[in-house]
Amino acid sequence: DGGITQSPKYLFRKEGQNVTLSCEQNLNHDAMYWYRQDPGQGLRLIYYSQIVNDFQKGDIAEGYSVSREKKESFPLTVTSAQKNPTAFYLCASSPDSNQPQHFGDGTRLSIL
Amino acid sequence: DQQVKQNSPSLSVQEGRISILNCDYTNSMFDYFLWYKKYPAEGPTFLISISSIKDKNEDGRFTVFLNKSAKHLSLHIVPSQPGDSAVYFCAASDSGGGADGLTFGKGTHLIIQP
Repeated sequence: DGGITQSPKYLFRKEGQNVTLSCEQNLNHDAMYWYRQDPGQGLRLIYYSQIVNDFQKGDIAEGYSVSREKKESFPLTVTSAQKNPTAFYLCASSPDSNQPQHFGDGTRLSIL
Repeated sequence: DQQVKQNSPSLSVQEGRISILNCDYTNSMFDYFLWYKKYPAEGPTFLISISSIKDKNEDGRFTVFLNKSAKHLSLHIVPSQPGDSAVYFCAASDSGGGADGLTFGKGTHLIIQP
């Protein structure tokens, strides 16, 4: 089955630690995206990548980093510089710029 | 400053009736609009989209209307079914299909009453 896999579904970390969220897709999509959702809020764009080895900052990139070494993988690192990291993180992909984005089921990150 | 606004946090509709969800935007550069449906603890699911060159797009029970002069779009669901109960997000892009990412509203929680 083709799709977007985010793991783990729930993640707990101590304050001050970096943490990496996984996003893998087997849809052969070129573009991948990371969004963050807070309670009662819409999704906000963190980073996106339109092609391998290239990525761009979104609206709220501070405190986050990404890499795109492989087409199918777009991991997101939440660094200790992110002041309020507790949120629901969603990864998405699309085949090209004229197709809608499809989302994974998200990772809920909680900082203890 | 919110560029995509969904002013109704929640909406309750009787099963079988029409559900109308509204969305307003402020950025005149937006040229592609989408609606997503989201259940708790899951990712959003794409429902329907519309390009700014059209004013209506229909897919089964779902129709999206776009009024560019008013910077307003709406999603009509008819007839409404219990499985339609979810949070609906309006999203917009100024880069064709969303190549540079989407701007989302805060969502409207649709509740279908039996």
